[in-house]
Amino acid sequence: EIVMTQSPATLSVSPGERATLSCRASQSVGDNLAWYQQKPGQAPRLLIYGASTRATGIPARFSGSGSGTEFTLTVSSLQSEDFAVYFCHQYNNWPPAFGQGTKVEI
Amino acid sequence: EVQLLESGGGLVQPGGSLRLSCAASGFTFNNYAMSWVRQAPGKGLEWVSAISGSGGSTYFADSVKGRFIISRDSSKNTVYLQMNSLRAEDTAVYYCATPGVLVAARFDYWGQGTLVTVSS
Repeated sequence: EIVMTQSPATLSVSPGERATLSCRASQSVGDNLAWYQQKPGQAPRLLIYGASTRATGIPARFSGSGSGTEFTLTVSSLQSEDFAVYFCHQYNNWPPAFGQGTKVEI
Repeated sequence: EVQLLESGGGLVQPGGSLRLSCAASGFTFNNYAMSWVRQAPGKGLEWVSAISGSGGSTYFADSVKGRFIISRDSSKNTVYLQMNSLRAEDTAVYYCATPGVLVAARFDYWGQGTLVTVSS
């Protein structure tokens, strides 16, 4: 089974600043990597799939990069509504696996 | 508009059973695989189970294999998760989600979740 490791566990950022989140896979997942945003009491929301493709309606300040085992989610200028927990998810190998999450806080 | 609506959660004693339902609308249900993903309180996401669009293939995480059963009813556009021999560690919010046509893909749509609490 593939293990997904996210870092850091918590990221403290000021509004307007850039946030960079990392996700590492224990073996190559190609570009079959998605990112989700989750706010308290809500379901996860798809942000990025295929490692770098924004989902429908996702603002351009969210971008994804990487392939193989190393991936990055960047939020170019954090808005108040972006403070949340972010999860990566590999769907290249069975079973699907999620990272443990990165909390982005003010 | 795609909608997934879970129901059936609640409090159950260890060793007990519960059946979750997920009613789908806004897409061609028979063409889409469906999955269940859970989240223990304050924890991350864990994939639990999946079923193909035809219902002919089912998949389970090792943590629930032999205890959970996934099924679907195309006449009701509903997917079910029958949970047996429940343990305290099964306590979580259970989300249904669809990865689209493929069983292994990103999860485009999620339900709002239903809470399952296993406790005496």
